[in-house]
Amino acid sequence: DAEITQSPRHKITETGRQVTLACHQTWNHNNMFWYRQDLGHGLRLIHYSYGVQDTNKGEVSDGYSVSRSNTEDLPLTLESAASSQTSVYFCASSEDYSAEQYFGPGTRLTVT
Amino acid sequence: AQKITQTQPGMFVQEKEAVTLDCTYDTSDQSYGLFWYKQPSSGEMIFLIYQGSYDEQNATEGRYSLNFQKARKSANLVISASQLGDSAMYFCAMSLNYGGSQGNLIFGKGTKLSVKP
Repeated sequence: DAEITQSPRHKITETGRQVTLACHQTWNHNNMFWYRQDLGHGLRLIHYSYGVQDTNKGEVSDGYSVSRSNTEDLPLTLESAASSQTSVYFCASSEDYSAEQYFGPGTRLTVT
Repeated sequence: AQKITQTQPGMFVQEKEAVTLDCTYDTSDQSYGLFWYKQPSSGEMIFLIYQGSYDEQNATEGRYSLNFQKARKSANLVISASQLGDSAMYFCAMSLNYGGSQGNLIFGKGTKLSVKP
């Protein structure tokens, strides 16, 4: 069965370190997204990609970057982790703009 | 700018009764989609139902229906015959169907539903 996975599921890191969160989907979807979820804010879009070599900034992109070298993967990098980036991160993919997004299980990141 | 508003931070419903979760949206675009997702305490995001802005019929999926009132810009989720397993956080979301950010979801802050036995 097709799926979308994220790793690690939990991560504790120190302020200033570079961190990369992995997202892998086997749906063969062109569209992939990264969101963060914080209490009182719902989910907010960080970055998104509509295909290989395409990346775009979302609502809360400062301090994050992504790259898309193949269809299956969209890793999210925190260049220099900050305590404000402590959050739960969700990756998602969709077939097209009007289709539902399938979400990964989430990564809980704590920056100390 | 697009916005989703869910005015009910928390709600209680008795098991087997129906419940309506409110969602209003704001957009000047004509072509968009409205989604509802469920997030149980385990944390995963589960897609429930979708309504396109040009769909004339309200969407239904099993016990879920979306009460779409375009003129009022509302897209309320109705859950019939509530079950204990319906206790979860529910998010309303919207996406635009064209433009540079097509397909990106804008989420409301969610409503926490608790089903009482």
